[in-house]
Amino acid sequence: GQQLNQSPQSMFIQEGEDVSMNCTSSSIFNTWLWYKQDPGEGPVLLIALYKAGELTSNGRLTAQFGITRKDSFLNISASIPSDVGIYFCAGSSDSNYQLIWGAGTKLIIKP
Amino acid sequence: GAVVSQHPSRVICKSGTSVKIECRSLDFQATTMFWYRQFPKQSLMLMATSNEGSKATYEQGVEKDKFLINHASLTLSTLTVTSAHPEDSSFYICSARDTDSYYEQYFGPGTRLTVT
Repeated sequence: GQQLNQSPQSMFIQEGEDVSMNCTSSSIFNTWLWYKQDPGEGPVLLIALYKAGELTSNGRLTAQFGITRKDSFLNISASIPSDVGIYFCAGSSDSNYQLIWGAGTKLIIKP
Repeated sequence: GAVVSQHPSRVICKSGTSVKIECRSLDFQATTMFWYRQFPKQSLMLMATSNEGSKATYEQGVEKDKFLINHASLTLSTLTVTSAHPEDSSFYICSARDTDSYYEQYFGPGTRLTVT
């Protein structure tokens, strides 16, 4: 079946640093989505990507849909304390609209 | 826009009882809703896909007679955990896909179920 590899598993950064995480798939996707989840809450959609090569920004967040349609990355510029949380990538090419989920990247900001 | 509510946010029940969790799309119509289960420090595990007016599609390994799903309207889906046992304790999250959108799923805040 389809698998998503998300890396890194966790990141320890200083406030103000840029962050980069990525996901790769064993098969082609039509869609890449990036979510952020805070403890005890449901995931919140950050960015949705639908075209190969597409680069989309949402404030300090930028995500790209890889040309091969098998990967995507998310960048966060000038991190701030509220960026702490778990970031998930999700992809799909399913006619039932089901998403395949990455394992998540836990972002921790060093005091 | 795209707000999904989930109720209750926390529930504690005794072993053998049933618990119903409601998922509502507040400002959009959702032909498709999804129910997930999430264990601590893990990703989301899809339990079932619910389409309005039809039977839910369960993922492999998910007992449909234990996790009853009803999607009676375009804004409401319910998950009933029947004869709950301690191993059913988990974080249950629903999501809804806007009928007018493509793949984006909008999530509720989750329900923490504890079975004693």
